[in-house]
Amino acid sequence: DADVTQTPRNRITKTGKRIMLECSQTKGHDRMYWYRQDPGLGLRLIYYSFDVKDINKGEISDGYSVSRQAQAKFSLSLESAIPNQTALYFCATSQSRGTGRDYGYTFGSGTRLTVV
Amino acid sequence: GQSLEQPSEVTAVEGAIVQMNCTYQTSGFYGLSWYQQHDGGAPTFLSYNALDGLEETGRFSSFLSRSDSYGYLLLQELQMKDSASYFCAVFTYSTLTFGKGTMLLVSP
Repeated sequence: DADVTQTPRNRITKTGKRIMLECSQTKGHDRMYWYRQDPGLGLRLIYYSFDVKDINKGEISDGYSVSRQAQAKFSLSLESAIPNQTALYFCATSQSRGTGRDYGYTFGSGTRLTVV
Repeated sequence: GQSLEQPSEVTAVEGAIVQMNCTYQTSGFYGLSWYQQHDGGAPTFLSYNALDGLEETGRFSSFLSRSDSYGYLLLQELQMKDSASYFCAVFTYSTLTFGKGTMLLVSP
């Protein structure tokens, strides 16, 4: 099984619909992140959480919300989807302590979302 | 805020050595990371430099100069499977901020 699992892998939804993307991890990491990737724009941070009771906005949080249901679960919601939210969404995890390679993020396989 | 600059594309031939550069502007800098992403796949962690100098991991090496706000990723003995996008990312206290990536095309 993958260390970081995202569901669904692909989703097509209509404008105005609410949609939730889910992420679960078996790494035992305390930190979790949601990134969005658009062609030619790299990865941009939407929200992040350092612990179950901690939620922080990233660079592009407008139109999104998140929930950290447990240390291992972090979901992203689009309250009312719009076409410019069509993108590849990645969940990632990391640990707060360590050195060097410990700071590496582990990414899920991504959710390709299309809003029509 | 943070900003990172990477060339958009680099081409090289199998067996060669290639260097991909990254310059950055940021506050609260802790270190520079590199990630590899094959088309549509998950980014995977390659390296992390917190101090000036060269870090080597097999065919991959990463360099950082904090005074120049500059780093590079060096790939040796290029293989076709190295064709991918490579992202540098600055690590601050809270999160990683990614550059737009360099697409590496390896030809036979």
